[in-house]
Amino acid sequence: GIQVEQSPPDLILQEGANSTLRCNFSDSVNNLQWFHQNPWGQLINLFYIPSGTKQNGRLSATTVATERYSLLYISSSQTTDSGVYFCAVTGANSKLTFGKGITLSVRP
Amino acid sequence: EAGVAQSPRYKIIEKRQSVAFWCNPISGHATLYWYQQILGQGPKLLIQFQNNGVVDDSQLPKDRFSAERLKGVDSTLKIQPAKLEDSAVYLCASSLGTGLDTQYFGPGTRLTVL
Repeated sequence: GIQVEQSPPDLILQEGANSTLRCNFSDSVNNLQWFHQNPWGQLINLFYIPSGTKQNGRLSATTVATERYSLLYISSSQTTDSGVYFCAVTGANSKLTFGKGITLSVRP
Repeated sequence: EAGVAQSPRYKIIEKRQSVAFWCNPISGHATLYWYQQILGQGPKLLIQFQNNGVVDDSQLPKDRFSAERLKGVDSTLKIQPAKLEDSAVYLCASSLGTGLDTQYFGPGTRLTVL
């Protein structure tokens, strides 16, 4: 099946800093989603982005499908941004496959 | 719009006992998913329903896990008997149509098997 790799595995930021989270995938995808899992375990949809660029407030995402990667940008980070960020893709089997996640800690 | 509802939120059982989880998807969503998330990993799909039919259950350990969605709305996931390695968070998600649509997740049920 399709492989999803996220980097870096862990990230520590000072409040106000910017960051870039990366997701690489091994095959063509029909769907790509970025999620934020908060410390209580809730998975929150951030972006549905199989290709192109989207922005939502301080967050933006870019997927370059031909090169099989996606980037999530967080600007002016806040402590509430802490948690685990997952990239998940749907390939030819129409099954959503998750990466292992990136753990972000934003310090005040 | 109400989100995906799950209950219970937490459950502690001993190995070899049985347990059941309940999920109510977003109103109007035809597709329902159950995922297992082991600590430190991403969620893994166990079973996918389209209305009340099973679309994919290839990763469901059928010797001990079962799931149903009788009226195409609510769903239950059962484990019988539970093993220590079943300790995980069980997440339910729903989407409007096919697996290509955006999936929305419930808060999960955290299961601890002692």
